[in-house]
Amino acid sequence: LAKTTQPISMDSYEGQEVNITCSHNNIATNDYITWYQQFPSQGPRFIIQGYKTKVTNEVASLFIPADRKSSTLSLPRVSLSDTAVYYCLVGDKGGDYGQNFVFGPGTRLSVLP
Amino acid sequence: SAVISQKPSRDICQRGTSLTIQCQVDSQVTMMFWYRQQPGQSLTLIATANQGSEATYESGFVIDKFPISRPNLTFSTLTVSNLSPEDSSIYLCSVSDRADGYTFGSGTRLTVV
Repeated sequence: LAKTTQPISMDSYEGQEVNITCSHNNIATNDYITWYQQFPSQGPRFIIQGYKTKVTNEVASLFIPADRKSSTLSLPRVSLSDTAVYYCLVGDKGGDYGQNFVFGPGTRLSVLP
Repeated sequence: SAVISQKPSRDICQRGTSLTIQCQVDSQVTMMFWYRQQPGQSLTLIATANQGSEATYESGFVIDKFPISRPNLTFSTLTVSNLSPEDSSIYLCSVSDRADGYTFGSGTRLTVV
């Protein structure tokens, strides 16, 4: 299972764009990159998943360079409600053939008014 | 994505007793996962539960302490046995979901007194 490294914490202000970078130097060919968000007293919630280049959904964008050894989660115009812990995971896409993910410590994002 | 109902949401238990946590999914899934999240920490996988077979435990977790049942494709239980204060944590179940990676329950907050 590929190990991931991400900043322990980040601060931002409302309305700013936040970029959280994750390193995964030993990512395998079949691995996907998935980001989860966790609020206090809740389970992690899927944000976005990608394999290469760029993926965008209604919540975030995920940028993956050609070598796939890192990825960047981009949250546009954050609000106070985006204060949470963000986990970067590398592993299978999901589904019945799936292996478990290994959760790193995550990045604690604090959005300030 | 799948919807998970996890019960109880929280409990306070006496030392030496046991707590059984239930996880109900609204669709059939082959693999279910149980995680522990200690206060202020990331998630640690306890075991993987497949329907019709014994659960597979991660290093540091044993069946006598964390027995798991998986009677059908939509339900699983995790029991935390012979409770001690060190077992105070949040316990989460998770399922693999082809469309969106993994879905998590809201967790069970266990306090042992």
